[in-house]
Amino acid sequence: GENVEQHPSTLSVQEGDSAVIKCTYSDSASNYFPWYKQELGKRPQLIIDIRSNVGEKKDQRIAVTLNKTAKHFSLHITETQPEDSAVYFCAVSSGSARQLTFGSGTQLTVLP
Amino acid sequence: NAGVTQTPKFQVLKTGQSMTLQCAQDMNHEYMSWYRQDPGMGLRLIHYSVGAGITDQGEVPNGYNVSRSTTEDFPLRLLSAAPSQTSVYFCASSYRRANYGYTFGSGTRLTVV
Repeated sequence: GENVEQHPSTLSVQEGDSAVIKCTYSDSASNYFPWYKQELGKRPQLIIDIRSNVGEKKDQRIAVTLNKTAKHFSLHITETQPEDSAVYFCAVSSGSARQLTFGSGTQLTVLP
Repeated sequence: NAGVTQTPKFQVLKTGQSMTLQCAQDMNHEYMSWYRQDPGMGLRLIHYSVGAGITDQGEVPNGYNVSRSTTEDFPLRLLSAAPSQTSVYFCASSYRRANYGYTFGSGTRLTVV
């Protein structure tokens, strides 16, 4: 089955700096790559996603890049704010129900 | 729309007891899934369904059963609870059309003592 690795597991940045989280996957047939943000005690919420025919997608301060050849994709958050502090999960979609395989998560802390 | 609704929010079970976690969605989503979330391990797929009457196993199905008699409902049954099933359980649903993201319910925190 699909294997997703996510790095780093923890990341601390100063407010206003950028944060980058990276994920690699194993199944070259995977074609959809969402990122979820989970605040403490809350449900995962989709923040951005990218399809396999697109190399980069941006939505205000967040962007995702995809390198299908190397089988890795990254989340970029610019001008970080304290409310960006959360756990971020990458995921890869595959299979008959496009079920998600998740990375192990990155705890992002934005220091004021 | 209520989205994806999970009940109960919290539950404590004794080892060996059985129970059903409820999940309902009102978005007419074809796909539904159950995940468990354990500290440091992300979310792992338990069971999933592509439509009414069709279910399949995910990564960690042992000890759990599911059924999908309607498009809206996808209950998860714990047959004989074990301490290893202490976790937070999330139900999620999505449209069948390509590259549509999954929407998650608010979760059920289960403790087995």
